[in-house]
Amino acid sequence: AQKITQTQPGMFVQEKEAVTLDCTYDTSDQSYGLFWYKQPSSGEMIFLIYQGSYDEQNATEGRYSLNFQKARKSANLVISASQLGDSAMYFCAMREGSGNYGQNFVFGPGTRLSVLP
Amino acid sequence: ETGVTQTPRHLVMGMTNKKSLKCEQHLGHNAMYWYKQSAKKPLELMFVYSLEERVENNSVPSRFSPECPNSSHLFLHLHTLQPEDSALYLCASSQIKGTSGGAYNEQFFGPGTRLTVL
Repeated sequence: AQKITQTQPGMFVQEKEAVTLDCTYDTSDQSYGLFWYKQPSSGEMIFLIYQGSYDEQNATEGRYSLNFQKARKSANLVISASQLGDSAMYFCAMREGSGNYGQNFVFGPGTRLSVLP
Repeated sequence: ETGVTQTPRHLVMGMTNKKSLKCEQHLGHNAMYWYKQSAKKPLELMFVYSLEERVENNSVPSRFSPECPNSSHLFLHLHTLQPEDSALYLCASSQIKGTSGGAYNEQFFGPGTRLTVL
């Protein structure tokens, strides 16, 4: 079964507008972490933002914020004031449990974001 | 500048060749990973090394053989590959939770090796 679902294979947004990239997850663990990564055409995966399952407030990092709805098991990424350089693939990922190294680190299929001038 | 480097960046090989991918991390992390990224498929975790212990994904074919001589270096030895093994191979590192560094144990990725098997 899919642990991470990203229902939007591709998204377009106008420059300077905000965009929300969807992510839903499936886990029975009480302790887990949710991550968003950006992958530009160069291939490197760039860590953007993290939300812990026990964090009561939504994570924010500059223009990135995470809309965490625990009961709905969703962790949507919101990018404000989109820039042309934001065009890339975006991956939602989850690490289940605590103290795990990465065996339970799973990625979603990704969403390709294209920012239009 | 990324703390994780990978060489080569591009590799073309025949099915009978033997080659190795190299990864090096300069972040002082104690866990390293190999991922395979194929077109239109999610990232697949292949191998994990942590504190010199290997955690292996059982679905990885034996034609892929990892080696971790120390906490900073990770290799992926390739032999008798198939065309379907063509993909981007990403290396990552992280710090085990509870020790210093890496606030969220997030994984730091290298730029990847684009492998083409003819």
